[in-house]
Amino acid sequence: DTGVSQDPRHKITKRGQNVTFRCDPISEHNRLYWYRQTLGQGPEFLTYFQNEAQLEKSRLLSDRFSAERPKGSFSTLEIQRTEQGDSAMYLCASSSRDRAIHEQYFGPGTRLTVT
Amino acid sequence: GENVEQHPSTLSVQEGDSAVIKCTYSDSASNYFPWYKQELGKRPQLIIDIRSNVGEKKDQRIAVTLNKTAKHFSLHITETQPEDSAVYFCAASINYGQNFVFGPGTRLSVLP
Repeated sequence: DTGVSQDPRHKITKRGQNVTFRCDPISEHNRLYWYRQTLGQGPEFLTYFQNEAQLEKSRLLSDRFSAERPKGSFSTLEIQRTEQGDSAMYLCASSSRDRAIHEQYFGPGTRLTVT
Repeated sequence: GENVEQHPSTLSVQEGDSAVIKCTYSDSASNYFPWYKQELGKRPQLIIDIRSNVGEKKDQRIAVTLNKTAKHFSLHITETQPEDSAVYFCAASINYGQNFVFGPGTRLSVLP
C-alpha cells in the first residue's frame, strides 16, 4: 500500500495519560498535515510541515499537543494529559512537492477515545 | 481567519436526479477550493477541485462552479447513483492547498 498510513488505528486511554500517534506520508510527498475530526463535522486543521519544518499551527493546538517530523518523513503527534474533549479522529494528510498539485491525500485516521 | 459554511447539512435525492451542495467562504484571499467525499468509516478523498482563476470545472457527472465576487462555490452531481451516497465536504485554502478550512459537511443519500 503506497498511500498514507497511520498507527494505531484506534486508541483508548484514560484521562490524564499521554498518547502518541504516527503518520507515514506518501514517500515522495514533502508536505504533511494533521487534522482533527469530530463526529458530524469537517476536519479541523491542526498543523502543517514542509519537510521537517513546522510552518503553521492552529490555535486549536494547545500546549498539550506537540507534533514532530524529525527527518522530513514520518510524523508524530503527541497529546499530553489527555482530556475527554480530545476524543476525536486524528487524520494525517500529505501532498506533493510539485507546487502545481494541491491535492491532500488522507490517511485512515487514528480514533482516540479518552475515558 | 477563514470561515466556510455549507448547505444543506443533509440531502436526499432519487437515483438519477441531480444534487447541488453550496458553500460560502469569508476570506477573499482564498484561491483553491477542493471537494472531498467521505464514505462511512473511510478517509476523505478528493473528487474535484477548482482554482480561483477558473469559474467552472467538470469531470464526468461532477461539476464545480465558483463565484469569486459572491464568495461561494457549488458542487453539482448529475445522474446520481446509490454509490454517490456519502458525506461531502467543501474546503477553502489560501496559498493553493496548504491550510484547508473545511465546511461542516453534507450527508447525501441517493434513494433507489
